[in-house]
Amino acid sequence: ELKVEQNPLFLSMQEGKNYTIYCNYSTTSDRLYWYRQDPGKSLESLFVLLSNGAVKQEGRLMASLDTKARLSTLHITAAVHDLSATYFCAVRSNMRFGAGTRLTVKP
Amino acid sequence: SQTIHQWPATLVQPVGSPLSLECTVEGTSNPNLYWYRQAAGRGLQLLFYSVGIGQISSEVPQNLSASRPQDRQFILSSKKLLLSDSGFYLCAWTTGNQPQHFGDGTRLSIL
Repeated sequence: ELKVEQNPLFLSMQEGKNYTIYCNYSTTSDRLYWYRQDPGKSLESLFVLLSNGAVKQEGRLMASLDTKARLSTLHITAAVHDLSATYFCAVRSNMRFGAGTRLTVKP
Repeated sequence: SQTIHQWPATLVQPVGSPLSLECTVEGTSNPNLYWYRQAAGRGLQLLFYSVGIGQISSEVPQNLSASRPQDRQFILSSKKLLLSDSGFYLCAWTTGNQPQHFGDGTRLSIL
């Protein structure tokens, strides 16, 4: 059975700091997705990673995929309060989601 | 452009009552459709997915069922709700390598 593990599950950061969220999965997949969820809201897509070594960047967020290590990372650069949300990774195999990382960015 | 409609947004139901949540997609053909449940502060649990009309795969045995009577319509049902059915229900669609597109969700409270 496919397992998707994210860590950390909770992350409290100071504004301006950098940090990385990790997403490990247990079976082969060449597609990985990152989503953002604001409190009480639905999910919105952030990144689609479709091949080994794929790297996507949008603003202060950068996502990468290593299919050999079965690992994706979401790197946050110079965090700002607006990035506070829960971030999920999902693996293509019928879209299994990690448990999510709840990010809080403090002034 | 593609859109997804999910309703109702909020629902309060007594234990033992039936349930019907509907999701429709516009602007695309033959999408893969999904129902998820999210407990408060938790991740997404895949309940059902469908790759075509009448084709439903169940991920978790429970008292819920799903149907896809039309290409772009996905319905989540229950004959008798349990307290444990409370949660935030999300419908989503995708095609090809696209990310999933989620509806706004239904917040279901069971009393």
